[in-house]
Amino acid sequence: AQSVTQLGSHVSVSEGALVLLRCNYSSSVPPYLFWYVQYPNQGLQLLLKYTSAATLVKGINGFEAEFKKSETSFHLTKPSAHMSDAAEYFCAVSEARGSTLGRLYFGRGTQLTVWP
Amino acid sequence: DAMVIQNPRYQVTQFGKPVTLSCSQTLNHNVMYWYQQKSSQAPKLLFHYYDKDFNNEADTPDNFQSRRPNTSFCFLDIRSPGLGDAAMYLCATSTLAGLAGVDEQYFGPGTRLTVT
Repeated sequence: AQSVTQLGSHVSVSEGALVLLRCNYSSSVPPYLFWYVQYPNQGLQLLLKYTSAATLVKGINGFEAEFKKSETSFHLTKPSAHMSDAAEYFCAVSEARGSTLGRLYFGRGTQLTVWP
Repeated sequence: DAMVIQNPRYQVTQFGKPVTLSCSQTLNHNVMYWYQQKSSQAPKLLFHYYDKDFNNEADTPDNFQSRRPNTSFCFLDIRSPGLGDAAMYLCATSTLAGLAGVDEQYFGPGTRLTVT
């Protein structure tokens, strides 16, 4: 069974500081991993995805994430936070094969606050 | 632009009065999903369609039904809304290429349902 743990429901950083949002997953088969961002009263927008190619994945808005199989982690980072990055971030895992192919399992989300 | 559209964006209904939320897509994706998202929580999958095949989650209440008359449209019917059904309802689409791989899910902007 798949599951996702996002450490820290709230993260606060100053503008210009490093952003690090943590995600650990469990999966019995090779995973596909995703980070989505959600702004207030909006749907989810894909930031980046890992699908068994390069382990360092670059996404939109300057975000990137590194897949570390040994640590079962897929942490999201951005070198320099911007005020517009304030939002809710969801990590999700999907199976690459099997009966639940394509189904997303979401973490509980991390609310990012950026201080001026 | 290809997209996922949800109407209305905001819906107010009375306790026990049936309500229908709609989702349409121009992506020609074969899979459509409905999620319920309550405040500060991760999206919870209610059901999904793989083409015309309906897949209900085991814990989705019978009060929630869905219809997919064609590839482009999918509806969520709540037969007798309760106060606990107030939430954001998200529609998403994806393509499943079988063993060839899994595409990410594309989300609509959501419909915020209020039950009075």
